[in-house]
This record gives sequence, structure tokens and C-alpha cells, in this order.
Amino acid sequence: DAGITQSPRHKVTETGTPVTLRCHQTENHRYMYWYRQDPGHGLRLIHYSYGVKDTDKGEVSDGYSVSRSKTEDFLLTLESATSSQTSVYFCAIGTSGNEQYFGPGTRLTVT
Amino acid sequence: QQQVKQSPQSLIVQKGGISIINCAYENTAFDYFPWYQQFPGKGPALLIAIRPDVSEKKEGRFTISFNKSAKQFSLHIMDSQPGDSATYFCAASMDDYKLSFGAGTTVTVRA
Repeated sequence: DAGITQSPRHKVTETGTPVTLRCHQTENHRYMYWYRQDPGHGLRLIHYSYGVKDTDKGEVSDGYSVSRSKTEDFLLTLESATSSQTSVYFCAIGTSGNEQYFGPGTRLTVT
Repeated sequence: QQQVKQSPQSLIVQKGGISIINCAYENTAFDYFPWYQQFPGKGPALLIAIRPDVSEKKEGRFTISFNKSAKQFSLHIMDSQPGDSATYFCAASMDDYKLSFGAGTTVTVRA
């Protein structure tokens, strides 16, 4: 998975609790992305980063925040998890040539 | 609103046959068109990509055909094998390096 790890790989949490997912890369790539994957929707961009402390919103950013304090780590936080955020979350890293490489995913269930 | 429309949703092909997946887009600013392959429980893996200055790109048994005037592109899997059974996603991006994905096509290759 191109030097990308995600943690945790599986998580079950209750509605209203905060959740943080971590993406770690060893490739020193500038760009990092968080996507969610849901049946019938493909992958949808939540947030992305184009450098340390430089982040921006994607198409489905409501209810999510991100932080990137080091090149290798990109954190996705659900401030107060809802059942609609039950999904599989993928982190990706990107080169300046648009190529993106995906991590193994985190399956999140909000009960 | 999905910026890239993908069809069919699923297809079944006999071993040795040709699988064809089609995608259409509206945004003429898109200039990078990758295809991803995803196996169950894994992250998407970059398969092949094309830019609009060429009409076709081939890598092994996988070929992208690109029709700029029709704003369509397709993936052809020649001599399909059972190991090709997976979900395939088309995507598109422009110089902002953000990918917009199609909804995916599940390909089943029957032995």
C-alpha cells in the first residue's frame, strides 16, 4: 500500500463521541487526502492537505476536521460521530503529477 | 452531484472475454483520467491513467480509450481472467490534484 498505514483499521463507536483516524506515510509526499467510500457513491473527498498545516475542504467535509502537523501524519477527526458517518475511510498520498496511492482503509461503524 | 458518471454498475464476462467500462464527464478542465482497481477489503490501486493529449493508452491487457470531443473515456480489459474480478473506478482531476470518482463497476469473470 505504497508506504501508507491507517489506524485503527476497524472501530465501533457510539453516536456523539469524538473519533480520530490517523494516516501515516513514509514516502514524504506533499499531498495527503481523506476519502470516504459508500456503496453507490464511489469515493468522495472529505479533506486534503497540500503541505504541513495547509489543508482544504473536499466535497463532503461537513462534520469532519483535519490536521497535519508533520509531513508524514494526516489526522481526520469526527467531532461528534453520527450514524451517517458509518463508512470506510481511505487515506491517500499524492505526487505533483496527480497520481494518488491509497492506504488499506478504516472501517468505522457509528451505533 | 457526481462529476464523473460510470457505467455499467456491474458486469459478468467469461474467461478470455473483453470487459468494457465507460465513463463520462462534463468539466472540460479535467486533464487527468486514472482508473483504479479495488479488491474486497483493500484500498483502491492505481491501474492505468491517461491525459487528454492522447486517444489511447495500453498497459498489458488493460487499455484506456479517450474521446475528448465526446467527453468520454473507457477501460477495456482484454482476455479477462478470474483474477481480474474486482471493482473498477474511473476518476478525473484537474490541476488542483483533487480526484472526482465514478460510482464503480463490479466485474465478475467466470471461469
